[in-house]
Amino acid sequence: AQSVTQPDIHITVSEGASLELRCNYSYGATPYLFWYVQSPGQGLQLLLKYFSGDTLVQGIKGFEAEFKRSQSSFNLRKPSVHWSDAAEYFCAVAPNTGGFKTIFGAGTRLFVKA
Amino acid sequence: EADIYQTPRYLVIGTGKKITLECSQTMGHDKMYWYQQDPGMELHLIHYSYGVNSTEKGDLSSESTVSRIRTEHFPLTLESARPSHTSQYLCASSHTGSGNTIYFGEGSWLTVV
Repeated sequence: AQSVTQPDIHITVSEGASLELRCNYSYGATPYLFWYVQSPGQGLQLLLKYFSGDTLVQGIKGFEAEFKRSQSSFNLRKPSVHWSDAAEYFCAVAPNTGGFKTIFGAGTRLFVKA
Repeated sequence: EADIYQTPRYLVIGTGKKITLECSQTMGHDKMYWYQQDPGMELHLIHYSYGVNSTEKGDLSSESTVSRIRTEHFPLTLESARPSHTSQYLCASSHTGSGNTIYFGEGSWLTVV
């Protein structure tokens, strides 16, 4: 069955520290991959996406993600976290037809401590 | 990026009332979606549309209904609201020609008392 797993329900990092959020997927073929961020009371904002090509993808707000086919992973990273990065992060996968077949992970809540 | 507008952002209504959550997008996206999300929980697709006059139910059963009479407009209606309908409703859209990347509105928070 197709699925997305975000193993960490919540993560706490210190401001200025590096961040890595994990995402693993189960899919029949190489899917399209996405990371979204959701601030409290808001909708989801697209951080970055991977369709093909370079497996290291740069996104907005200083985030990047690396697609590793052998590990079926698409982990999100940021070298230095800011307090404003505290939010919920969702990984998503979709077939190359995308759309309604997009599957979202359960999310990882990021807490940033001063 | 898609510009998706949802109104109202926050709504508190009494049980049994009829409500419509409005959603409009200005990017000409062919596909539109409604997701339901309880606080701190995952997203559940409740409705989607391939285009005008096309509507389908999503993975999560919902008592709400939708319509797609115009490309840019995808309202969601609850004929008789109940406390169990209290949730956040997220409208979204995507374009087939751009990998169907889904873009979201800011959400509508519904509280039924």
